Amino acid sequence: GNSVTQMEGPVTLSEEAFLTINCTYTATGYPSLFWYVQYPGEGLQLLLKATKADDKGSNKGFEATYRKETTSFHLEKGSVQVSDSAVYFCALKGNTPLVFGKGTRLSVIA
Amino acid sequence: GAGVSQSPSNKVTEKGKDVELRCDPISGHTALYWYRQSLGQGLEFLIYFQGNSAPDKSGLPSDRFSAERTGGSVSTLTIQRTQQEDSAVYLCASSRPETGGRNSPLHFGNGTRLTVT
Repeated sequence: GNSVTQMEGPVTLSEEAFLTINCTYTATGYPSLFWYVQYPGEGLQLLLKATKADDKGSNKGFEATYRKETTSFHLEKGSVQVSDSAVYFCALKGNTPLVFGKGTRLSVIA
Repeated sequence: GAGVSQSPSNKVTEKGKDVELRCDPISGHTALYWYRQSLGQGLEFLIYFQGNSAPDKSGLPSDRFSAERTGGSVSTLTIQRTQQEDSAVYLCASSRPETGGRNSPLHFGNGTRLTVT
């Protein structure tokens, strides 16, 4: 079945550091890939998405590229801010309801 | 506009009691999902409603769990004879009609935190 594996946290970075959160997936067919973010005290919200191979999703300085050859969708940001502290979830949608990874907690310190 | 609304926001119940959790999706969203978020376990899919189709119940962990969606809008998740392992945050999400398949993003509510004592 479809599944998503993302790096375990927590991840702690200093402000302006480079961020990578790894995500790999297993799926049949051609799924769409998503990153969702959950800020403290708030509900989950879509951060970015990519619907086919080699697509790059981007939002708020975050990027992720759909790599079919490595079945990956790693999340990157060149310079994190304290306000990026949150839990990040990689997710996949094929012909089944959205499947999530376990989440990675990011803490950015000033 | 209004987002996905869930109630109650918090629920504490004694083991063995039944609970009902409510979800009001965004108007016009025909797809509705229930997920469970447990500490260290990520988001676990429970059940999915799409329009008038039969719901996908493949994620329900036991027959103590059930859900219904009346009139294609409000949904209620019911847990009977609650157990301590049912303690979690229960999240509801809705999305636009799934025409063409897979690209409609989910809009989540803030969840109901259930604590079974």
